[in-house]
Amino acid sequence: GEDVEQSLFLSVREGDSSVINCTYTDSSSTYLYWYKQEPGAGLQLLTYIFSNMDMKQDQRLTVLLNKKDKHLSLRIADTQTGDSAIYFCAVVSGGYNKLIFGAGTRLAVHP
Amino acid sequence: NAGVTQTPKFQVLKTGQSMTLQCAQDMNHNSMYWYRQDPGMGLRLIYYSASEGTTDKGEVPNGYNVSRLNKREFSLRLESAAPSQTSVYFCASSELSSGGRETQYFGPGTRLLVL
Repeated sequence: GEDVEQSLFLSVREGDSSVINCTYTDSSSTYLYWYKQEPGAGLQLLTYIFSNMDMKQDQRLTVLLNKKDKHLSLRIADTQTGDSAIYFCAVVSGGYNKLIFGAGTRLAVHP
Repeated sequence: NAGVTQTPKFQVLKTGQSMTLQCAQDMNHNSMYWYRQDPGMGLRLIYYSASEGTTDKGEVPNGYNVSRLNKREFSLRLESAAPSQTSVYFCASSELSSGGRETQYFGPGTRLLVL
């Protein structure tokens, strides 16, 4: 079945850039998504990219998609303490037609 | 506009007890979902409902039942709770844009501990 993998933890210094990576095994997604979960809360859609695009920029966020390698990344420029959260990538499974979430990457921002 | 609401926020059960987790959305969405979140495993889909009156199994349905009471409400029932069902449960609803982009809106979660 579909597998979406992310590294579980990333620590960065405030002001640096963060890059969160995601790989997937199969996808019929027209869109690929990044969700953010703050402590004690549910997930919120952060950004997304259309599957025929390589890159999307949205203020401090840059999403890169390499369809050949089935690799999705999220770059956060000028990372702030308020960016500390868990970030999930999500794609629509090829055979399942439902969103499959990765395990989430916990981003810790330190001074 | 409250979005997606869930009750209770926290529950402790003994093995074998039953309970129902409640979820409601006020966004007039057709699709609703129940997920569980476990450390290192992300979100796994338990059941979903594409529209009022329909429900389908997700990735991990064993030990759970659901009921789509009406368009607003989607409940999850544990008939005989087991310690393996200790988790955080999230309800979500979604809208689909004309271009095929799906946005899921999540509730705040129910933290369940089964002793």
